[in-house]
Amino acid sequence: NAGVTQTPKFRVLKTGQSMTLLCAQDMNHEYMYWYRQDPGMGLRLIHYSVGEGTTAKGEVPDGYNVSRLKKQNFLLGLESAAPSQTSVYFCASGTAGGQETQYFGPGTRLLVL
Amino acid sequence: GQSLEQPSEVTAVEGAIVQINCTYQTSGFYGLSWYQQHDGGAPTFLSYNALDGLEETGRFSSFLSRSDSYGYLLLQELQMKDSASYFCAGLTGANNLFFGTGTRLTVIP
Repeated sequence: NAGVTQTPKFRVLKTGQSMTLLCAQDMNHEYMYWYRQDPGMGLRLIHYSVGEGTTAKGEVPDGYNVSRLKKQNFLLGLESAAPSQTSVYFCASGTAGGQETQYFGPGTRLLVL
Repeated sequence: GQSLEQPSEVTAVEGAIVQINCTYQTSGFYGLSWYQQHDGGAPTFLSYNALDGLEETGRFSSFLSRSDSYGYLLLQELQMKDSASYFCAGLTGANNLFFGTGTRLTVIP
């Protein structure tokens, strides 16, 4: 099992460009999450999904959109990147009823110039 | 709102015991999780306390007191590889985790 994988690992964008981060999990988990982590900060929840076809806003959703068309995939989109979105993005997955235990991907480092 | 407070840095000697505290203010609190993150790595789950008391997993133990809105992570027989950041995270009524800002543990010889 690969667990949770994220692509790309690293990306540089110019202000105003768009991109999509892909998260995939092979553990058949119902729940999936997108977080961002800034230097010296904890993880802040951007959006999450409790099942295929469902999404919900987290703590810092502005400037991001998500889609969960397939159970194993959770996509995070930036429509018009801003320097404030420079961060490390982590995807995680977990089971329903086991939300305290989340399995994280390796992260995507995004630099917006 | 939600907030979890942890010390920003802790230094301890190899072989010693260290305690990392976490105080929280959250609505709809269900329990407290702990995660470890090495530099450049992904967070990994360590433990979870849904009830008051001590949970032990090998060299790591975690404690929760709901009446005091307080928990801690205890690491025994410290090893150099334990140098990492440790995050407490509250499980909230929205079934999401709200993370603290993390404690950077440095283990010295």
